[in-house]
Amino acid sequence: SQKIEQNSEALNIQEGKTATLTCNYTNYSPAYLQWYRQDPGRGPVFLLLIRENEKEKRKERLKVTFDTTLKQSLFHITASQPADSATYLCALVKAAGNKLTFGGGTRVLVKP
Amino acid sequence: GAVVSQHPSRVICKSGTSVKIECRSLDFQATTMFWYRQFPKQSLMLMATSNEGSKATYEQGVEKDKFLINHASLTLSTLTVTSAHPEDSSFYICSAIGLGETQYFGPGTRLLVL
Repeated sequence: SQKIEQNSEALNIQEGKTATLTCNYTNYSPAYLQWYRQDPGRGPVFLLLIRENEKEKRKERLKVTFDTTLKQSLFHITASQPADSATYLCALVKAAGNKLTFGGGTRVLVKP
Repeated sequence: GAVVSQHPSRVICKSGTSVKIECRSLDFQATTMFWYRQFPKQSLMLMATSNEGSKATYEQGVEKDKFLINHASLTLSTLTVTSAHPEDSSFYICSAIGLGETQYFGPGTRLLVL
């Protein structure tokens, strides 16, 4: 069966350090992968999209990599700030317009 | 950027009543809208996919007669929870896709059925 796994344990990190989150998938051939941020009681907010033929994407302090051989995406928050504390979700899509399948999310807590 | 709104943000109702939740794309036309449900400390679970002018496609295990979806225009989709029961209490979130690939999510609706 298809699985999308994110580290369920919360990631505690010191302000200024780089947070690295993983998203692993099995039995899935995604056309692209998206990362979202979700704060408690709020809907997810889109951060980055990376396609199957792209290795890396950056946006300000965020970086995403996509390795279709390893079936893994890494999400990095550099120079982390307390305001980055949230749950981060990865989601895979088979083709444009199709439904997203979400991982369980990883909670990040950045301590000042 | 793309903005999706939901109304109401929070609703409390008695068991047996029906509740309607609206999802609107404010600055783009949504070819497809999606409805999700999220229980505490869990990820989002897709309930149904809605295309303007056609019937919604429901995920396995989601009762279409209980969760009525209407997508009357390119900017509005509604989810009606009929004869709500306490086990329907959850966080309901919609999302919308325009011409691109990205799904933009609404802020969510917290439903509490007493």
